[in-house]
Amino acid sequence: QQQVKQSPQSLIVQKGGISIINCAYENTAFDYFPWYQQFPGKGPALLIAIRPDVSEKKEGRFTISFNKSAKQFSLHIMDSQPGDSATYFCAASWAAGNKLTFGGGTRVLVKP
Amino acid sequence: DGGITQSPKYLFRKEGQNVTLSCEQNLNHDAMYWYRQDPGQGLRLIYYSQIVNDFQKGDIAEGYSVSREKKESFPLTVTSAQKNPTAFYLCASGDAGFNEQFFGPGTRLTVL
Repeated sequence: QQQVKQSPQSLIVQKGGISIINCAYENTAFDYFPWYQQFPGKGPALLIAIRPDVSEKKEGRFTISFNKSAKQFSLHIMDSQPGDSATYFCAASWAAGNKLTFGGGTRVLVKP
Repeated sequence: DGGITQSPKYLFRKEGQNVTLSCEQNLNHDAMYWYRQDPGQGLRLIYYSQIVNDFQKGDIAEGYSVSREKKESFPLTVTSAQKNPTAFYLCASGDAGFNEQFFGPGTRLTVL
């Protein structure tokens, strides 16, 4: 059972544009929602994370929007740069288990 | 330097052989995790350990084994029972009671 669904699988954006990646979850016990960035051949790196008590969190050009009632959260990459070209994964976990359940990933290509 | 190291970076195995992947961390984290990543897919949890001498199966534990004899080490053995072992293997660690996980650089295993 896939508990975190991520879309789209890939997207192409022009330099300076906005990249938007969406995730939906099923388990209402989830209370921690991180986003990871992965470059080819490397391990994922934590980018930004949010908890359900806030609806939005911003760090630099990266923003997470969270909709608890819809059980959805999204990553917005503002002013996208070629260096942002990578695969992005959303994930979710709950405090008790500490296990992360990952979405399927989105490959982002930023064209110069 | 603090961090998570995985070795080797590339590993080749003949069918029917067991192979052990190394994961070491000097971040003083209590919890450690092993994930498997297949091309174009998300990460799937194999095993995790929240304390020395204890570990739990993840979603795809069949054909794998682990040990946690030291806090800083969490080796993964891919046994001959694993039918499709070719994949990218990622180790992660985190503080028990916190959700953040930090990943190592990965080991790419290829079965010849």
